[in-house]
Amino acid sequence: SAVISQKPSRDICQRGTSLTIQCQVDSQVTMMFWYRQQPGQSLTLIATANQGSEATYESGFVIDKFPISRPNLTFSTLTVSNMSPEDSSIYLCSDRDKGSYTFGSGTRLTVV
Amino acid sequence: GESVGLHLPTLSVQEGDNSIINCAYSNSASDYFIWYKQESGKGPQFIIDIRSNMDKRQGQRVTVLLNKTVKHLSLQIAATQPGDSAVYFCAEVGSQGNLIFGKGTKLSVKP
Repeated sequence: SAVISQKPSRDICQRGTSLTIQCQVDSQVTMMFWYRQQPGQSLTLIATANQGSEATYESGFVIDKFPISRPNLTFSTLTVSNMSPEDSSIYLCSDRDKGSYTFGSGTRLTVV
Repeated sequence: GESVGLHLPTLSVQEGDNSIINCAYSNSASDYFIWYKQESGKGPQFIIDIRSNMDKRQGQRVTVLLNKTVKHLSLQIAATQPGDSAVYFCAEVGSQGNLIFGKGTKLSVKP
């Protein structure tokens, strides 16, 4: 299965600023996803990152707040914009390739 | 809508005992389920999966059981070890190909 490198692993950010999280896959994969995992909770899908087109967002998530790029089949970024303390979470990318799913190690974001 | 949930948020077992983690799902049309293990500071790791045309699947020390009649999924870990301590999630493949996760069960193994 594919291996995903996600960075940064953690960051502490000031409210009102933005952070871009990157995920690099070691092979071309069909689908990539971004999830949020709030403290002590499960993973919630933010959006599906579509190669060469706009991401598909889940209910409760909007492009202005979480812009996503996927310029090719091995790379995607998620930006958390205009951050507030409520955005403090772990953000994870995932891919699906040939029916298998792999996850990045996550980005632990703290907004102060 | 689609949703996957878990019965117990925490489970504490003695080292060497067997562990059983349960999961209920709501979408009877789901045909693929996965169990993940998440250790602190890491992303979810694949443990075992099962398709809806099966009732049981075994791996190394782990077994997944699927009861489609009551929409129930369970993960059994044999001879639980301290290294098994983690949060376990069941997940269902959604209509968009994404994973829909249950709430998670924290497994603690006492030496």
